[in-house]
Amino acid sequence: DSGVTQTPKHLITATGQRVTLRCSPRSGDLSVYWYQQSLDQGLQFLIQYYNGEERAKGNILERFSAQQFPDLHSELNLSSLELGDSALYFCASSARSATDTQYFGPGTRLTVL
Amino acid sequence: SQKIEQNSEALNIQEGKTATLTCNYTNYSPAYLQWYRQDPGRGPVFLLLIRENEKEKRKERLKVTFDTTLKQSLFHITASQPADSATYLCALDGNTGFQKLVFGTGTRLLVSP
Repeated sequence: DSGVTQTPKHLITATGQRVTLRCSPRSGDLSVYWYQQSLDQGLQFLIQYYNGEERAKGNILERFSAQQFPDLHSELNLSSLELGDSALYFCASSARSATDTQYFGPGTRLTVL
Repeated sequence: SQKIEQNSEALNIQEGKTATLTCNYTNYSPAYLQWYRQDPGRGPVFLLLIRENEKEKRKERLKVTFDTTLKQSLFHITASQPADSATYLCALDGNTGFQKLVFGTGTRLLVSP
């Protein structure tokens, strides 16, 4: 158990819909990262937050947004969903920066029908 | 263009042998490189980090080398066991002005008894 929790575990929705994925980092970790993993793309970095502020952005679509709250949990919002958004979404946390060990959550499997 | 390449074909070895996995990168100048293990449907688990000024790092049956001239890292598992069967991902810092991890697509290792 990495200490990172993600909810829900599975999500099935339709195209055009909006969903919110939730992540609680390990106790004491200030950085939260979101990744997307699909079969053909591998693990893709989406965005990083550090202590409530956006720190780094990867290949995150404009339809996707995230935030980190004062209690350090984070949410990833996916809107106008398309079939191609079906993937595993992982949250990871680290003490401070990406050079620190990243601890991954169990992931949320999103299926868009 | 920037690339991280890991052998996409599964590596099949017999129990007790040494498994060697390769990670090659192009157009990156990473300060460090990390290796992760991922089991199906689960989040990656951190194994080892090696910095650019380190040639080799060991942890129990694991050994990682890092050759910045060849732009390559080798990951060895000695005395392999069926429980070592998993996908192994290498990741390096994206050195794009901010810290983020860029992952390779991983190599699946199958250790047969």
